[in-house]
Amino acid sequence: EVQLVESGGGLVQPGGSLRVSCAASGFSFNKFYMDWVRQASGRGLEWVGRIKSRGHSSSTNYAASVEGRFTISRDDSRSFLYLQMNSLRTEDTAVYYCVREYFYRFDSWGQGTLVTVSS
Amino acid sequence: QSALTQPASVSGSPGQSITISCTGTSSDVGGDDHVIWYQQYPGKAPKLIIYDVNYRPSGVSYRFSGSKSGNTASLTISGLQAEDEADYFCSSHSNNNSPYVFGAGTMVTVL
Repeated sequence: EVQLVESGGGLVQPGGSLRVSCAASGFSFNKFYMDWVRQASGRGLEWVGRIKSRGHSSSTNYAASVEGRFTISRDDSRSFLYLQMNSLRTEDTAVYYCVREYFYRFDSWGQGTLVTVSS
Repeated sequence: QSALTQPASVSGSPGQSITISCTGTSSDVGGDDHVIWYQQYPGKAPKLIIYDVNYRPSGVSYRFSGSKSGNTASLTISGLQAEDEADYFCSSHSNNNSPYVFGAGTMVTVL
């Protein structure tokens, strides 16, 4: 069974940094593209970014709203996905989901971790 | 503001059929067959229910079906049941800056 478990969310002040993690299991993690999708309270879904598999150079793409502030990385040896968030803004407050990408769809989702940016 | 336009809410009585629309542009919905629908219950993660316009993953009820015409995709729920009360989000692969765009979501209420 595919499992994605996020951790590391919490309260951070504007301008601060936070790293959230995602532990993957139940599938060959190294073969899949992995993404982060966020959802502000009562709002829609927003794609944050993606990291391709090592076979595709583990290259990354980001939404314009986070480009230059957020960094996605992966540790295939441990089946972990990371999202490093710097220069956080109040509008970054959201539940962050770790998702598995499979042929242009997000077929598995974690339970999400809440990141609150507030003074 | 979401890239794809969905109605905020749709309602129906048990047993009825309802349809949720999702309107984009020729850069996403109209120009791509990777249109996706997700179902989300309050406090839970989204769940994939339709991919590539009209394909259902294993385990998803046959009562869910998808279609597309031009820049508008649709999700139809037939034989509406109480358990279908949830939020539904459409998504599409896009040729714009972000590879994936979403709608703002539609709340389905079973009367």
